[in-house]
Amino acid sequence: DIVMTQSPDSLAVSLGERATINCKSSQSVLYSSNNKNYLGWYQQKPGQPPKLLISWASTRESGVPDRFSGSGSGTDFTLTISSLQAEDVAVYYCQQCYITPFTFGPGTKVDIK
Amino acid sequence: QVQLQESGPGLVKPSETLSLTCTVSGASMRDYDWSWVRQPPGRGLEWLGYILYTGDTNYNPSLKGRATISVDASKSQFSLKLSSVTAADTAMYYCASVPIFSGFLQNWGQGTLVTVPS
Repeated sequence: DIVMTQSPDSLAVSLGERATINCKSSQSVLYSSNNKNYLGWYQQKPGQPPKLLISWASTRESGVPDRFSGSGSGTDFTLTISSLQAEDVAVYYCQQCYITPFTFGPGTKVDIK
Repeated sequence: QVQLQESGPGLVKPSETLSLTCTVSGASMRDYDWSWVRQPPGRGLEWLGYILYTGDTNYNPSLKGRATISVDASKSQFSLKLSSVTAADTAMYYCASVPIFSGFLQNWGQGTLVTVPS
């Protein structure tokens, strides 16, 4: 299985400041034939199901605010919240769908400082 | 917008079979792949498996052959059966739609909590 790791486990950021979450996969999730990274980012607020924010490592889903951005390729990826808002308090997960079983990172909890 | 809703018993006895149904609206069953994910209380997400638009299935080996996912297109539903459950199967179970040829869990149900007493 591809093992996904995330850092940090949690972070607290002041409102309006930048939050950065890192995700690393144990093997590359870049599919050479189409040059796409099979890496997604999800946001889960308390009591709610996860929500897909970003697919293909950097493509925002419809309706996702542009303060959320994804970057990276191969094995190293980053989710950035450029200006943290109160409604962004949540746990964020990365997920690889390069090969089954699809696997998630352990999650990063984001809070307000 | 695809909408999904899980249903099924909230309590399953040890050694019995957990059976959940996901009812889909806003899409044809042929338009997506369909997946199940679970989350034990206070813990992370585990992908259980999915059924492709072709009818092929793929399961997480961690389930050791206990899972079956099927589709009933006439009812716009897909289901999960998990046999020989133990307390370790206690979790919130989510169904989700997966755009074909991706693997991303694009739309999710609200989830249903299944408890297996120890």
